Amino acid sequence: QKEVEQDPGPLSVPEGAIVSLNCTYSNSAFQYFMWYRQYSRKGPELLMYTYSSGNKEDGRFTAQVDKSSKYISLFIRDSQPSDSATYLCAMSPTGRRALTFGSGTRLQVQP
Amino acid sequence: GAVVSQHPSWVICKSGTSVKIECRSLDFQATTMFWYRQFPKQSLMLMATSNEGSKATYEQGVEKDKFLINHASLTLSTLTVTSAHPEDSSFYICSASGQGAVGELFFGEGSRLTVL
Repeated sequence: QKEVEQDPGPLSVPEGAIVSLNCTYSNSAFQYFMWYRQYSRKGPELLMYTYSSGNKEDGRFTAQVDKSSKYISLFIRDSQPSDSATYLCAMSPTGRRALTFGSGTRLQVQP
Repeated sequence: GAVVSQHPSWVICKSGTSVKIECRSLDFQATTMFWYRQFPKQSLMLMATSNEGSKATYEQGVEKDKFLINHASLTLSTLTVTSAHPEDSSFYICSASGQGAVGELFFGEGSRLTVL
């Protein structure tokens, strides 16, 4: 079993839809949770990071962490074609900066 | 935000040759840099962690004699793929960490290696 599980998709939605992306994990030591966006042939771009459980909102993006269920989510409101990319969740135990990544979910927002 | 630069962005080489990839932090001092490898449609897999002035720590299954990492300064780490073979063809990505929180991890644009 992988430490971090993420549905690879692809997930196809119409423009303006609310997108929900999720990851589950097995390592209870993870304390830092990140979401990265990766366009084809590019390096990952940090979207949001959250420490421990809770919600965090930044513009159209909301990150949620439920440590009791070992489940994290990223919501994208009013999705745009420019949001089409692969979204990677990543996490790390406290104090260690190397990240364990999910496999990434490919999102396609149709105009 | 902080910028991490990787060079070259893509490289094609013949089997048996060595290739060096550079990772630079442009506006901050990176005490730690990480090297990842990504195969098509797969996630990033950590290869090694390099700390400035010390030997790199390699993940299990990564050959340290094949993937040489040097972190000679606070702004530069290099990954050398020695005696490259076609199975080494991949997307190599570095990330750099400063003195801040875990969230302050910045990734380079990646280097695509194709070994013929």
